[in-house]
Amino acid sequence: GIQVEQSPPDLILQEGANSTLRCNFSDSVNNLQWFHQNPWGQLINLFYIPSGTKQNGRLSATTVATERYSLLYISSSQTTDSGVYFCAVGDSNYQLIWGAGTKLIIKP
Amino acid sequence: GAGVSQSPRYKVAKRGQDVALRCDPISGHVSLFWYQQALGQGPEFLTYFQNEAQLDKSGLPSDRFFAERPEGSVSTLKIQRTQQEDSAVYLCASGDGANVLTFGAGSRLTVL
Repeated sequence: GIQVEQSPPDLILQEGANSTLRCNFSDSVNNLQWFHQNPWGQLINLFYIPSGTKQNGRLSATTVATERYSLLYISSSQTTDSGVYFCAVGDSNYQLIWGAGTKLIIKP
Repeated sequence: GAGVSQSPRYKVAKRGQDVALRCDPISGHVSLFWYQQALGQGPEFLTYFQNEAQLDKSGLPSDRFFAERPEGSVSTLKIQRTQQEDSAVYLCASGDGANVLTFGAGSRLTVL
């Protein structure tokens, strides 16, 4: 099955810094989603991005499907950005394979 | 509804008790997923529904776990004879046509 690797596993930044989170996957996918799980456990869907580039405010994501990776960019980090960021990919019409996540801590 | 609603948010059960967790998905979403999340881990797939049909239950850890979605809307995850290893957060998500998932807040189960 598809393998998903996220890096770095942990990231500690000062408020205002920029960050790049990476998701590598081992095979072709037709579904890729980025999620943010806040410290209270709520999972929020950030992007559905099987290919291309999308932006939403301070967040943007790029997936290069031919090279089997996706990047999530966070600019001007805020303390509310803290939490765990998950990448989930799929090659079927419903099943998603989840990465282990990147734990991000933004210090004030 | 506007989002995915799960209840109860917190459940404490004595070992051996049966529990039922409810998920009310976004209106019109055909797909519904249940996941289990242990502390510090990512979500683990349990089961998938398309409308009322349970198309995949390969992630259910044992025959003590049972899920249903009889009218293609609300879903219930039932755990019989709970064990301590069942303690986890149970997440429900509903999906649109592209299976872009929206998650509920989860139900945290603690088995004593």
